[in-house]
Amino acid sequence: KAGVTQTPRYLIKTRGQQVTLSCSPISGHRSVSWYQQTPGQGLQFLFEYFSETQRNKGNFPGRFSGRQFSNSRSEMNVSTLELGDSALYLCASSFPRGDPSGANVLTFGAGSRLTVL
Amino acid sequence: AQSVAQPEDQVNVAEGNPLTVKCTYSVSGNPYLFWYVQYPNRGLQFLLKYITGDNLVKGSYGFEAEFNKSQTSFHLKKPSALVSDSALYFCAVRDISNFGNEKLTFGTGTRLTIIP
Repeated sequence: KAGVTQTPRYLIKTRGQQVTLSCSPISGHRSVSWYQQTPGQGLQFLFEYFSETQRNKGNFPGRFSGRQFSNSRSEMNVSTLELGDSALYLCASSFPRGDPSGANVLTFGAGSRLTVL
Repeated sequence: AQSVAQPEDQVNVAEGNPLTVKCTYSVSGNPYLFWYVQYPNRGLQFLLKYITGDNLVKGSYGFEAEFNKSQTSFHLKKPSALVSDSALYFCAVRDISNFGNEKLTFGTGTRLTIIP
């Protein structure tokens, strides 16, 4: 069973540019969450999508946006990049909360490492 | 609001010795608790979770964790450390009163180094 796939794995952008990151969840998983990981702030929740709807959003500026497609694949976009946006962006997929096995375990992808120059 | 504290940034343990990585949490309701591990240039891997029931939870790679409600703690333990256990460990909590909310709140991480 394939895991969570994130593309690209590495990318370099300059300030002011925009970037789009892609995440393909595990087959059958309908929830996709995004996290930003930096040495200073640790793991910060960006947003979570379920059935193409954003269910929850973290405390990030509007430059950070996302969407989910009907096949559960998700993308996140960062516009007008700043130096502080340099980070590892992690995507995680899971079942909906109605999973009878109880609390859902997030399965993470390897991440997309963004460097902003 | 929910939060997690990992009081130690770094833990060093000799190979073969028992290890403990500490975690305390704060939630308004009942918690779901998780431990994840991260190896260099990799995403997070699930180790174990506490939902309900037995306070001692067993997980992958010989790890276990003990839920202590009175101390709001969920420390990760292993009886005998391996060099391959060296990695970054994250504790996470979800407040189950937030129905349908998949948001996990993570601690700042503890870097575990096993010394041969």
